[in-house]
Amino acid sequence: EAQVTQNPRYLITVTGKKLTVTCSQNMNHEYMSWYRQDPGLGLRQIYYSMNVEVTDKGDVPEGYKVSRKEKRNFPLILESPSPNQTSLYFCASRPPRGFKGSEAFFGQGTRLTVV
Amino acid sequence: AQTVTQSQPEMSVQEAETVTLSCTYDTSESDYYLFWYKQPPSRQMILVIRQEAYKQQNATENRFSVNFQKAAKSFSLKISDSQLGDAAMYFCAYMDSNYQLIWGAGTKLIIKP
Repeated sequence: EAQVTQNPRYLITVTGKKLTVTCSQNMNHEYMSWYRQDPGLGLRQIYYSMNVEVTDKGDVPEGYKVSRKEKRNFPLILESPSPNQTSLYFCASRPPRGFKGSEAFFGQGTRLTVV
Repeated sequence: AQTVTQSQPEMSVQEAETVTLSCTYDTSESDYYLFWYKQPPSRQMILVIRQEAYKQQNATENRFSVNFQKAAKSFSLKISDSQLGDAAMYFCAYMDSNYQLIWGAGTKLIIKP
């Protein structure tokens, strides 16, 4: 089954404690991205990756890191989480850029609370 | 920069009736795609319908259809014969020429039984 697997689904952590949210897709997609969803703001892109070893900042990259060492995995790293990073996070993947209009496939979301 | 506006934070409709969710966008591009995604309480993001800007014919998927007005930069979603399972957040999204998705703030749809 084609899917994007994101873990964990829920996470409560304390300010400053490094954490990683994992994301893996089995569709051989080149494009992957991370979003955060906040009420009244919709989804905002944090980082994206067009291919292995290629990552770019989205609209809200501050306080986040990503890496793309393999095509299937695209982890999101918060090295020193702060309360303003409390949010719902989504990983998504899509076919290569040539497939314009292609559907984005999303993970199940991670509800992160930083206290 | 492109922007997407969903002016209705919340809408409600009686079961079996029709509801229209509005979406407007701002762009100077001529070639782009527009999408509607549904997010039920399970949080899963589900593609409802997509529209290519060059296609004049409005997209339709069963009970879901769009009213795409390119000159007015409007992309509304019509849901006919509303069902309880349609209750969700609905997001409008624009794909620009750089392959990036720009999202609206979302509309929460409530279905009254």
